[in-house]
Amino acid sequence: DQQVKQNSPSLSVQEGRISILNCDYTNSMFDYFLWYKKYPAEGPTFLISISSIKDKNEDGRFTVFLNKSAKHLSLHIVPSQPGDSAVYFCAASSGNTPLVFGKGTRLSVIA
Amino acid sequence: GAVVSQHPSWVICKSGTSVKIECRSLDFQATTMFWYRQFPKQSLMLMATSNEGSKATYEQGVEKDKFLINHASLTLSTLTVTSAHPEDSSFYICSASAGRNTDTQYFGPGTRLTVL
Repeated sequence: DQQVKQNSPSLSVQEGRISILNCDYTNSMFDYFLWYKKYPAEGPTFLISISSIKDKNEDGRFTVFLNKSAKHLSLHIVPSQPGDSAVYFCAASSGNTPLVFGKGTRLSVIA
Repeated sequence: GAVVSQHPSWVICKSGTSVKIECRSLDFQATTMFWYRQFPKQSLMLMATSNEGSKATYEQGVEKDKFLINHASLTLSTLTVTSAHPEDSSFYICSASAGRNTDTQYFGPGTRLTVL
């Protein structure tokens, strides 16, 4: 059973607009959530994280929102840029456990 | 579909011993497998990329003689931590992709290695 789900395999957004990537989880023990960005032929790189004690974390153009009651988090990128085109992985952990990854969403930002 | 498993899920070993971790793609053929080391809280470091039937490509700073990777079949890759030391204690995560599109990666559940 998938504990972390990214239901949209792909997303296309126009440059300058907002990109919203969604992630759902089932394990209520998860208390730390991360987003990774992956370019072709490279490993994932850490983008932004959020602890379960918060509902929002912002870093420049990137904001992650956490809705614990809905077990849902989202990554907002605004304004979107062509260089943001990549695959985005959502990951979650509970305490000292391995990260559990979603299957990724491919974002294409169209100029 | 697209399930990746790792075995063992956790292992405790004595300093100086070697530990083998397996990564299997259960329902697809993985032409490429990746090994990552997870550092506390957030950092995920790519250690090496292995293609079936060829030698692994190691990232800079990763000792290939210490972290032996074998990708002998399309469904199995192994990582052997040789002469393990306490500083090697970590989570090790593998991922696998089918075909040449390595963006589509499926991650394993991770293996927790504790070296005493």
